[in-house]
Amino acid sequence: GAVVSQHPSWVICKSGTSVKIECRSLDFQATTMFWYRQFPKQSLMLMATSNEGSKATYEQGVEKDKFLINHASLTLSTLTVTSAHPEDSSFYICSASWGGETQYFGPGTRLLVL
Amino acid sequence: SQELEQSPQSLIVQEGKNLTINCTSSKTLYGLYWYKQKYGEGLIFLMMLQKGGEEKSHEKITAKLDEKKQQSSLHITASQPSHAGIYLCGRNSGGYQKVTFGTGTKLQVIP
Repeated sequence: GAVVSQHPSWVICKSGTSVKIECRSLDFQATTMFWYRQFPKQSLMLMATSNEGSKATYEQGVEKDKFLINHASLTLSTLTVTSAHPEDSSFYICSASWGGETQYFGPGTRLLVL
Repeated sequence: SQELEQSPQSLIVQEGKNLTINCTSSKTLYGLYWYKQKYGEGLIFLMMLQKGGEEKSHEKITAKLDEKKQQSSLHITASQPSHAGIYLCGRNSGGYQKVTFGTGTKLQVIP
């Protein structure tokens, strides 16, 4: 149980375009979803926390207008990277929890902005 | 500096050998997670430790929490190539179950 999927698994886009990444909890209802970013050889950095039906809480230094998060249902959260630039290239990972203390992670989405 | 420091940063061991990874926190540990990540993939939950002195095992992996030392250790017995990956410790760092991750330990197991 506790499976989290992400789509797409990787994406290449042109600079200036927007990219949407989906995170789904497949076999449970996620009250809270998290979005992380991971640079090569580095640990995960939390970008934002989102609860279903409410606005996401962004970590310090993360631009909310740049990284739009929507948590419209208990099984789906989306991260949209708006006007992507090469420095946004990274590995984005979501996780989900349902009130317990354990987060279950998606497989990640690799974004390359040309 | 990082809240959670892991050591070693990387480790290469021969198949069948035992190994230990440490995670040291600069803040009081009320609970600690261990995750495993394969390159370019998501994280696999290994175990969560909540009480000082707690020890949990899953297959050949054992983790302990020493609250006084603000430290946790992950021990793998008789390592196998399938154990290779990046091991990350994490601690709750605020509301809504926010997790702060450690610096990571990259493990390679040579057949």
